[in-house]
Amino acid sequence: DILMTQSPSTLSASVGDRVTITCRASQNINSWLAWYQQKPGKAPNLLIYKASTLESGVPSRFSGSGSGTEFTLTISSLQPDDFATYYCQHYNAYPYTFGQGTRLEIK
Amino acid sequence: EVQLVESGGGLVQPGGSLRLSCVASGFSFHTYWMSWVRQAPGTGLEWVANIKGDGSKKFYLDSVRGRFTISRDNDNNSLYLQISSLRAEDSAVYFCASTAGYLNSWGQGTTVTVSS
Repeated sequence: DILMTQSPSTLSASVGDRVTITCRASQNINSWLAWYQQKPGKAPNLLIYKASTLESGVPSRFSGSGSGTEFTLTISSLQPDDFATYYCQHYNAYPYTFGQGTRLEIK
Repeated sequence: EVQLVESGGGLVQPGGSLRLSCVASGFSFHTYWMSWVRQAPGTGLEWVANIKGDGSKKFYLDSVRGRFTISRDNDNNSLYLQISSLRAEDSAVYFCASTAGYLNSWGQGTTVTVSS
């Protein structure tokens, strides 16, 4: 199985900050990577797929990059609604696996 | 508007069974692969199973293969997960989602609790 490792596990930041979350795959997954945002008690929400394609309706302050084994999710200017937990997920092969999550909290 | 609504969760004893359902609307259900994903309390997300639009292909997480069965009824826009031989570690919120590899629309989830 492909292991997905996110860093950091927790990130403290302020409104207006630029933040980056990293996701590393244990083997090459090309660009078959998605990012999700999840708020407490809610279902995850797709932000980015194919490593860098923004899902329709997602604000442009979110962006993704990377290929192979290293990927990043960047939020260019944090808004109050962005404080949540973020997950990466590969879909290169079965089983699909997720990173352990990055909790983005208010500093 | 895409909607996915799960049901069927509950409290079940170890070794018991449940059938989870997911009713879809707002998209061409029969053309989409569908997934079940679960989230144990306070933990991350775990993909469980996928099924092709026509039901001809199914894939499972190793730890559930042989105990869980994914199926669908395209006439009724419904997805199912039959879960059996339940263990404490199967306790989780179970989400259905439409998938293109990435999971583009999600239901609100249904909670399964395995406890004696």
